[in-house]
Amino acid sequence: EVQLVESGGGLVQSGGSLRLSCVASGLLVSDHYVGWVRQAPGRGLECVSVLYAGGGYTWYTDSVKGRFTISRDQSKNTLFLQMDSLRAEDTAVYYCARDRNWRTFDSWGQGTLVTVSS
Amino acid sequence: QSALTQPASVSGSPGQSITISCTGTYSDVGNYNYVSWFQQHPGKAPKLIIYDVTNRPSGVSSRFSGSKSGNTASLTISGLQAEDEADYYCSSYTNINTLYVLFGGGTKLIVL
Repeated sequence: EVQLVESGGGLVQSGGSLRLSCVASGLLVSDHYVGWVRQAPGRGLECVSVLYAGGGYTWYTDSVKGRFTISRDQSKNTLFLQMDSLRAEDTAVYYCARDRNWRTFDSWGQGTLVTVSS
Repeated sequence: QSALTQPASVSGSPGQSITISCTGTYSDVGNYNYVSWFQQHPGKAPKLIIYDVTNRPSGVSSRFSGSKSGNTASLTISGLQAEDEADYYCSSYTNINTLYVLFGGGTKLIVL
């Protein structure tokens, strides 16, 4: 059974930084496309970043390019999202999710809340 | 297009059937059979209930079914139960490279 457990969220001032972690079990993060999907309060879902399997190609939505960095630690089977220059509009619950194929997210973590105060 | 179009809310009584639509374009729903549906209860993570338009993951009730016609995908829930009250989101593969995946805006299902 796949399990994804996020941590690292919290309250931060605008312009600050946070690092989210997602510990995986039941799958190897290096063998799958795994990413971060966020949900602002009362809003819908938005895919923020994905780290591809193997060579590690990365994808970012335009609004976070240059501010967020996705990475993984194979030895810890953990996915990270380094978030710098945070803005109020980054406030959301951030979910770690696995793309089974063709952009279908089939396994999700419980989410971690990021709140950016302006 | 930045989001698939879903109705804001639908409602039904226990035992009834309801259908939620998800409308896209030929760049996404209309050209690819990679439409998914998610159920999300308040304060919980989304749960995949339909993938590849019509397929149910193991453990998902057969009361949930998916279909597609042209640029519109649909989720049907039959035999409505109180626990089906939740938000439902669709998603689709898209050939727009600025988007990894296209999500719908979400539909709140109210069980009367």
